[in-house]
Amino acid sequence: DAGVTQSPTHLIKTRGQHVTLRCSPISGHKSVSWYQQVLGQGPQFIFQYYEKEERGRGNFPDRFSARQFPNYSSELNVNALLLGDSALYLCASSSEPRTTLKFGPGTRLLVL
Amino acid sequence: TQLLEQSPQFLSIQEGENLTVYCNSSSVFSSLQWYRQEPGEGPVLLVTVVTGGEVKKLKRLTFQFGDARKDSSLHITAAQPGDTGLYLCAGAGSSNTGKLIFGQGTTLQVKP
Repeated sequence: DAGVTQSPTHLIKTRGQHVTLRCSPISGHKSVSWYQQVLGQGPQFIFQYYEKEERGRGNFPDRFSARQFPNYSSELNVNALLLGDSALYLCASSSEPRTTLKFGPGTRLLVL
Repeated sequence: TQLLEQSPQFLSIQEGENLTVYCNSSSVFSSLQWYRQEPGEGPVLLVTVVTGGEVKKLKRLTFQFGDARKDSSLHITAAQPGDTGLYLCAGAGSSNTGKLIFGQGTTLQVKP
């Protein structure tokens, strides 16, 4: 069974640009969470979606937004990129919001 | 704000040595998880501890949840080079979301 998939694997952007990251959950999982992991730190919670509705939001500015589609895949959008947005963006899926998360390999974003 | 402090941040030991990683907080968590993350990959769940005082063993790894459910430890016996990686603890709160609070991680290097 395929795990959580994320695309792209790597991305280079310049300050001020926007970026869209994509995530496909494990088949049958209806909840998707997004985490940001800056180099040398643990992941930080950005969003959780369940059944296409936002269930939780971390302490991130409004430049960060996300959505979940009818097939439970998800997109994370970041506008007006800053150098500090450079990080590994992890997507995790679970069958329900409080069940065990399965993480994808992440998208590594570099903002120059 | 719930925080998890992990110590040490870096550990470099010889094959065969024992080690302990600590995860401490002033907050109570409904459960605590330990993950291992390798470069270029997402975190992989090792164990979940739920009950205060609980001890779980996974081969050479022993996990303990503090009686007050505020802290946890990971002990590795006779470390091997294959244990090298980033170890993360993560606490789950009592909200309806699956939001996890991660520690900053412990980078373990086991030299042959």
